Order: sequence, then C-alpha cells, then structure tokens
Amino acid sequence: GAGVSQSPSNKVTEKGKDVELRCDPISGHTALYWYRQSLGQGLEFLIYFQGNSAPDKSGLPSDRFSAERTGGSVSTLTIQRTQQEDSAVYLCASSFRDSLLLNYGYTFGSGTRLTVV
Amino acid sequence: AQKITQTQPGMFVQEKEAVTLDCTYDTSDPSYGLFWYKQPSSGEMIFLIYQGSYDQQNATEGRYSLNFQKARKSANLVISASQLGDSAMYFCAMVGTGNQFYFGTGTSLTVIP
Repeated sequence: GAGVSQSPSNKVTEKGKDVELRCDPISGHTALYWYRQSLGQGLEFLIYFQGNSAPDKSGLPSDRFSAERTGGSVSTLTIQRTQQEDSAVYLCASSFRDSLLLNYGYTFGSGTRLTVV
Repeated sequence: AQKITQTQPGMFVQEKEAVTLDCTYDTSDPSYGLFWYKQPSSGEMIFLIYQGSYDQQNATEGRYSLNFQKARKSANLVISASQLGDSAMYFCAMVGTGNQFYFGTGTSLTVIP
C-alpha cells in the first residue's frame, strides 16, 4: 500500500482480555518498529524487526506483550491479559533498512488507540 | 544511555512569525541522527527534517530548519512564517548505532491567528 496501515484504528477491550494489533508496512520495507504513546507522553519504543527477526525486544514492558512478523511483511503485536495501564496509542513504523543514519525517515502508521476498561 | 530532552511543554506563536522549538540530546555514540516529527490531532507522525551528526551544514526543508549545535548537543527546530496548520505536537528524536529511536516528550505548538 501507499502507507503504513494499522488495524484496528480503535479498540476497546475489557480488562483481562487478549488483544491483537496489526501493522501492514509499506511494501518492500524491511525494518518495522512498534511504539507505545500514552496520553500526553512521548513515544516509548517496544520492539524492532529486521525481516522476520527481532534483534531488539528490550522495550517490551512485560511478558504479557509479544510480537511477531511473518513473510517480512505484516506484524502483529499481542497483549495478553490486558490491564488498564495498557491503554495507549500503539504506533507502527517501517523503513527500507535498519540504518537510520542515512536519512531514511520513518513512515509511521496512524496508530491503534487501545482502551482497556 | 541515549536521552532526548524537550523542555517546552507548550508554545504559542503568532501567525506568520517564526518559532524555535528546543531539543537537547545526550549520547555516547560517535554517529547519530536527529529527527523532528509533527503529530497533528489526527495522531499521525509526520517526518519533518533530519540532521546527521557529521553533516557540516544545518538541515533545511522548506519552512523548517534545524539549528544543530553539536558541541552544545542541541538540535532546535525553527519554523519560519508560522501557519495555522502548524499547530500540533512536535517531537525531537535521535537514533544512534543501535537503530532505536529515542523520542523527547514533545512540545505542543499553537499558532494564534
């Protein structure tokens, strides 16, 4: 597609339920990133994929969070047993390569707004 | 450790005036990149401008320029001739050799007609 697509755009879930958030990167982009943005806050790095592998999972806040990427394309972020503090906007970004020092400005998706009630 | 600091939570500017949004950073990486993003109320992150740590000249992109002072570790964004559509959150970000973006907490800019 023309841009990074994220679905759903909004998700309301009950505390304790599992949720899956999807990111469709720009075709051909090998690097994919997930971020979390809580209300009024900056972006918190979660995880980074190069192809299907995740060299950096350091940002995942707990073992309830996991992510996978298949076919070097679509990625799914899964949050198990959601808690109210998981409420945030989850942003995905992709780029052609993992070296950002060469002015390969990210392209971000519009995010998924997750509300845990 | 990498760190980005934006000390202005909110800024106001008169339409058609210039405004400077502050950003300081801290890194031990010899090479790094600095970015500015705009986030309107729609939530999308829009890339504005990039400065590489070895770039000799300050980056410019239309009405946006980055005032890069390496010794002071600052990378301020200057928006000239502000427009109403510039009202948004602005984030400064840095990437080092670890390929991870570090974002500041953002500055909310309001352009007054």
